[in-house]
Amino acid sequence: EVHLVESGGGLVQPGRSLRISCTASGFTFGDYGMGWVRQAPGEGLEWVGIIRRKTFGATTQYAASVRGRFTISRDDSKSTTYLQMNSLKTEDTAVYFCTRERDNFDSSYAYWGQGTLVTVSS
Amino acid sequence: DTQMTQSPSTLSASVGDRVAITCRASQSITKWLAWYQQKPGKAPKLLICKASDLESGVPSRFSGSGFGTEFTLTISGLQPDDFATYYCQQYNTYPWTFGQGTKVEIK
Repeated sequence: EVHLVESGGGLVQPGRSLRISCTASGFTFGDYGMGWVRQAPGEGLEWVGIIRRKTFGATTQYAASVRGRFTISRDDSKSTTYLQMNSLKTEDTAVYFCTRERDNFDSSYAYWGQGTLVTVSS
Repeated sequence: DTQMTQSPSTLSASVGDRVAITCRASQSITKWLAWYQQKPGKAPKLLICKASDLESGVPSRFSGSGFGTEFTLTISGLQPDDFATYYCQQYNTYPWTFGQGTKVEIK
């Protein structure tokens, strides 16, 4: 069974950095692209970015709202993907969900973690 | 960016009703559209991928249709467990984008 578990969320001051992690189990991590989606309190879903699997160069794509500030990486040996968030703003406050693409032919998000809350506030 | 516009934003319906949610893309996304269901405090759940492919384990009362820029999620015979918020998402062109959501409420 696929499991995705996020960790590392918490309270951080504006302008500071935070790294959150997502550790996966139940599948061969290196065979799949992974993504991040966030949801501000009371708001809808916002796509943050993705990292493709290494056979596709482990390339990344980001939403305009985080490009240049956030970096997604992966460590296949640890079945973990990371979201490094720099220069945090109050509007980055959200629950951050880790996601896995459905399969090698469809990149919709069939699997989600439970989410980790990041609060940016002074 | 490809904008996704859902309508309505809120839908009031009764158990047993047939309901439809529309999602419009600002440019063609061919078939690369997913529908998700989210309940309060929970992660979203994939219902439909590639516009009309029902995800394994999802009840057959859910169906999706459309291609290009116009898509519809239909629930035939609303059940108590279906009262939730529904989102469409395009994954044709980066950055991928979600619709703003449709909340299905009990009438």
